[in-house]
Amino acid sequence: GAVVSQHPSRVICKSGTSVKIECRSLDFQATTMFWYRQFPKQSLMLMATSNEGSKATYEQGVEKDKFLINHASLTLSTLTVTSAHPEDSSFYICSAAKMREGDYEQYFGPGTRLTVT
Amino acid sequence: AQTVTQSQPEMSVQEAETVTLSCTYDTSESDYYLFWYKQPPSRQMILVIRQEAYKQQNATENRFSVNFQKAAKSFSLKISDSQLGDAAMYFCAYRRMEYGNKLVFGAGTILRVKS
Repeated sequence: GAVVSQHPSRVICKSGTSVKIECRSLDFQATTMFWYRQFPKQSLMLMATSNEGSKATYEQGVEKDKFLINHASLTLSTLTVTSAHPEDSSFYICSAAKMREGDYEQYFGPGTRLTVT
Repeated sequence: AQTVTQSQPEMSVQEAETVTLSCTYDTSESDYYLFWYKQPPSRQMILVIRQEAYKQQNATENRFSVNFQKAAKSFSLKISDSQLGDAAMYFCAYRRMEYGNKLVFGAGTILRVKS
């Protein structure tokens, strides 16, 4: 199997505070993980690609100082939303790349709902 | 840049009937992967089916099959014998072949299944 977990599943924080979301690959090692943001009834928007041991690659328009990504091990990547504001409220999804038949497949976490009050 | 277009925001199908979801894409690559993902109300993304562009045979997974037309850059998903559990948002996605490349998603199609 290939299971990816996210913690927490839901978080509410006050405006101006920071919140950390963890993404773990439970039964495989993932050199590469991805972070997405999704608004209701919309598609997934890739925020950044996270490679173990190196700096994340952010998509155009994503503030790297606001959305800090750390991929410290082959099974853990974290997304920290710094100085959160209500407009950061969203559903955040991570995925982890697992090698499969000479290629790789992305396995998705269950997502984290962030509400900033 | 690659783009993926899903022109049907919503579709409905009667239980046990067949429905086809459309997807077109744009790329200059000759080898790549195409995917259909399902996102039910739980919002857990589930891989439905995967197609390698260099394979001419259309992929199938039980009740799910695709019609892959490489020249037309079309990749539709057919769901046969629709079930209530098929109700979800469906996303078509494209990816280049190399490891670590990102998925490019379409806007999604909401599928409603009527009993």
